[in-house]
Amino acid sequence: QQPVQSPQAVILREGEDAVINCSSSKALYSVHWYRQKHGEAPVFLMILLKGGEQKGHEKISASFNEKKQQSSLYLTASQLSYSGTYFCGTDGSSNTGKLIFGQGTTLQVKP
Amino acid sequence: SQTIHQWPATLVQPVGSPLSLECTVEGTSNPNLYWYRQAAGRGLQLLFYSVGIGQISSEVPQNLSASRPQDRQFILSSKKLLLSDSGFYLCAWSGYVADGYTFGSGTRLTVV
Repeated sequence: QQPVQSPQAVILREGEDAVINCSSSKALYSVHWYRQKHGEAPVFLMILLKGGEQKGHEKISASFNEKKQQSSLYLTASQLSYSGTYFCGTDGSSNTGKLIFGQGTTLQVKP
Repeated sequence: SQTIHQWPATLVQPVGSPLSLECTVEGTSNPNLYWYRQAAGRGLQLLFYSVGIGQISSEVPQNLSASRPQDRQFILSSKKLLLSDSGFYLCAWSGYVADGYTFGSGTRLTVV
């Protein structure tokens, strides 16, 4: 089952914050986050492996609530370079290594 | 360091023609390999994945097939392309879980 991301699109001004959510109807082993620039391949941002875990990458961090089967990506003080489409990828409880990706959230940061 | 190569970058093929896309990984051994397809403006759909030579799992019934003749080589094929096969095809590899997936640069396929 494909995870559901929300919102579908976000428009920000530089310096503003954003939150992107990823929800699954199935138990999860891990959640990955990727960013894709237009016309390019997705780039790995981070992985969360355990419930309640939080990780950070520059001013981008994420949380994983295993019980709620949800993950959130937090973008703080957004920069122009943060623009792109963000995908969460989930791996089921059996840790197959196969990622099923959400439909993506398009983020546009304006000056 | 590990690198992944995917080619060609773009391809325009007529309906009914065959297809062969190749992906190779360098700098690692026994990687997990994946083929994804992305329709315009859409998400990533898992097509095939492989945990070893000759071991292929198909995720979606379709007009495509995959093969892994060598440890670091993954090939996506079709005998007869359909218009619906158009899209952005991405190969990816993974090793350690914590390192996530690394994607190739992709092949943009247009079937006309």
